[in-house]
Amino acid sequence: DAKTTQPPSMDCAEGRAANLPCNHSTISGNEYVYWYRQIHSQGPQYIIHGLKNNETNEMASLIITEDRKSSTLILPHATLRDTAVYYCIAPGAGSYQLTFGKGTKLSVIP
Amino acid sequence: EAQVTQNPRYLITVTGKKLTVTCSQNMNHEYMSWYRQDPGLGLRQIYYSMNVEVTDKGDVPEGYKVSRKEKRNFPLILESPSPNQTSLYFCASTDYQTRAQYFGPGTRLLVL
Repeated sequence: DAKTTQPPSMDCAEGRAANLPCNHSTISGNEYVYWYRQIHSQGPQYIIHGLKNNETNEMASLIITEDRKSSTLILPHATLRDTAVYYCIAPGAGSYQLTFGKGTKLSVIP
Repeated sequence: EAQVTQNPRYLITVTGKKLTVTCSQNMNHEYMSWYRQDPGLGLRQIYYSMNVEVTDKGDVPEGYKVSRKEKRNFPLILESPSPNQTSLYFCASTDYQTRAQYFGPGTRLLVL
């Protein structure tokens, strides 16, 4: 697994975009980046993943830098229900095993 | 609805009394796994299964057993629970193509 580094916490005003950064400078060329979130003691929830191109789905957008050393998860209009711990994970190429770090605790403020 | 279910959701037991936590998925996924989550230690993988009758140890397998007799079910067995197995447990199944993992709602276990 490539090591990932995330800020421990962030705040975001309700209705604004939440931009969560992740550094993965040791990622190899064929390793994907995955994002999950965990809302207080619930099961972690898959959000999105990508390799090199930017990705978007109904939950979020993922922006990956051209050198692939970092990425940003964007929640376009954060709501109170988006308050959670967000995990950026880069499992080894072909690996099914996830190693969860400490993630970023996002607090959405009214 | 695609989902992973776990039962029971809450369990209080005593040291040494065998218990089983069931996990079932309806997405026809081959890969399934069990995690435990403890304060300050995050999520750690206990066991995983690549397919029916194929299981392997994760990072913290001591004190646990698993079985995979059918694709949809992956029960976690504690033959002789101890207080240090008090934890929040999650089952997950993985989409083969995307490798995205889908987690169950969790089982909170207290061993007295």
